[in-house]
Amino acid sequence: GAVVSQHPSRVICKSGTSVKIECRSLDFQATTMFWYRQFPKKSLMLMATSNEGSKATYEQGVEKDKFLINHASLTLSTLTVTSAHPEDSSFYICSASIPDWYTDTQYFGPGTRLTVL
Amino acid sequence: AQKVTQAQTEISVVEKEDVTLDCVYETRDTTYYLFWYKQPPSGELVFLIRRNSFDEQNEISGRYSWNFQKSTSSFNFTITASQVVDSAVYFCALSSGYSTLTFGKGTMLLVSP
Repeated sequence: GAVVSQHPSRVICKSGTSVKIECRSLDFQATTMFWYRQFPKKSLMLMATSNEGSKATYEQGVEKDKFLINHASLTLSTLTVTSAHPEDSSFYICSASIPDWYTDTQYFGPGTRLTVL
Repeated sequence: AQKVTQAQTEISVVEKEDVTLDCVYETRDTTYYLFWYKQPPSGELVFLIRRNSFDEQNEISGRYSWNFQKSTSSFNFTITASQVVDSAVYFCALSSGYSTLTFGKGTMLLVSP
């Protein structure tokens, strides 16, 4: 149980285009999903917290208009990188949380490697 | 503020050796959860364990074991008889209440044959 998928796993795009990444919880409903960014040999950096049916909460320094997050259902959240530039190239990982007493456990997707040329 | 420190950036061992990955945390909350995740070269983070602050019992799962010591604010992870497939980056993380996860910087474990 607790499987999270991401699509696509890899994407290469030209500078200026937009890219959409999907995150799905396959065998559970996730009221909360998270989006992280990871640079090579670095830890995960939380970008935003996404709650189903409401606006995402972005971490300080993350551009809301550049990284659009939509959490339309209990099993799907999407991250759209708008007008991508080479500096947006990174490994993007989503997670979905299973509610539990006091705190949730996050289960992570396999990640999406974005390369912007 | 919460903080997780994984002082070991990289550890190299030979197969069948035991290895311990250190994790030290800081939090002002009395109720909190600690996690370990494994990130193999493929990139996916795999959930290994979750432990709450009220349960200091050590846990063993196959070749994996965890030692939680509140007195030293540590939650160390030991792999017994390491294997090449254990090669990965291991992250320790902390959560208080419904706060987001605070990750350590990770420890890269290289197990050579």
